[in-house]
Formats: sequence, C-alpha cells, structure tokens
Amino acid sequence: KAGVTQTPRYLIKTRGQQVTLSCSPISGHRSVSWYQQTPGQGLQFLFEYFSETQRNKGNFPGRFSGRQFSNSRSEMNVSTLELGDSALYLCASSGGAGGEDGYTFGSGTRLTVV
Amino acid sequence: GQQLNQSPQSMFIQEGEDVSMNCTSSSIFNTWLWYKQDPGEGPVLLIALYKAGELTSNGRLTAQFGITRKDSFLNISASIPSDVGIYFCAGRPPGGKLIFGQGTELSVKP
Repeated sequence: KAGVTQTPRYLIKTRGQQVTLSCSPISGHRSVSWYQQTPGQGLQFLFEYFSETQRNKGNFPGRFSGRQFSNSRSEMNVSTLELGDSALYLCASSGGAGGEDGYTFGSGTRLTVV
Repeated sequence: GQQLNQSPQSMFIQEGEDVSMNCTSSSIFNTWLWYKQDPGEGPVLLIALYKAGELTSNGRLTAQFGITRKDSFLNISASIPSDVGIYFCAGRPPGGKLIFGQGTELSVKP
C-alpha cells in the first residue's frame, strides 16, 4: 500500500510569492492533517480535514489556507511568503476522523523562502 | 491552549543501555502516539495507545498510556546505534487536534 505522498520535496521561493503544497493520503484514508516543523518551534498544527471539511485549525495567520478534495487529496497554500515561513511542512493521513489508526506522515516539503 | 511537556530534551547514552522518556499534558488525552524522526524525513509511528493503562510493546520499545490519561512514557531497551534520532510524543484530546511534544534527541555511542 503506497504511503503518504507529498510534492514537491523541496521548494525555494522569494518573499512575497505564494506557494501551494500537495498531499496525497494513503488510499482509503479520509483525514489529512498539516504541520509546520521548525527547529525552534517543533511540530505546529496547521489544520485538519476530514471528508473535505476542515475540522480543526491551528493558530496560524490567514495567509495559511488549505482544502481537501473529494478524493481526499489535500493542498495547503501560503500567500505573501515571509522569511519565517521557511520550514518543513508535513502532512499526515488517518483512516478515521478521530485518528483511531494513528497518523502516517509523508516525507514533507522543505520550503525555503529567500 | 493545551501543551505537551516532553522530557528529557536530549540524551547521550552508551550502546546497550536502556532509555526512558516521557510526556505529560495539562489535560486529558484519549490517544497517545510515539514517533521517531530521522533527518530529512517525516516522523514514523512507533507505538499507538488508545486506553488508559494500556501497555504496548514493539520489539525493544515499550510505551504506556498513563492511568490519569495525562501522561505517557516510552522505553527503549538495549539501545543500538540505529536508535539515534528524535523521538516525539503526540496526544489527542477528545474531539481535538493531535499535538506534539518538543521531542527527545537520542544519541547512542557505539
């Protein structure tokens, strides 16, 4: 069974630009969560989607947005990029809405803002 | 908001030694998960716990869901060099989001 796939793996963007990251969950999983990981802040929760509905949202500015499609694939978008947005962005998928079978992570997208 | 305190932050041990790390929360959780992350990769799930008092093993790893539902520990027995990495606890309160501890960086000297 294929794992969680995140694309692209690496991305370099300029301040002020916008970026879209993609996450394809494990086949059959309907829940996708997004996290930002930085050395100083650890893993910070961005949002969680289940069956195309946002169920939870973290404490990030409105420049961070996401969505989930009917095939459970998810995208997150960051507009007006800032230097501090440089991070590893991870998504995790789970079969159930409550994460009953654990959360499986992708390898992440490493975003560098210059 | 809810916080997870994970300790210790880092550990330097000799190969063959046992390791113990733990997480405590300020509120009740109904899920505790333990992950290991290697450089440049996403966290990999080691052990999942869903019931207070539950004790689960995965090879040399053992984790427990605390009776109070506010803590969990992970033990690694007879450590080997490939155990090196960052270990994260993660917990989910009823109806809430999964949050992570700050991680324990483990170094193993051969």
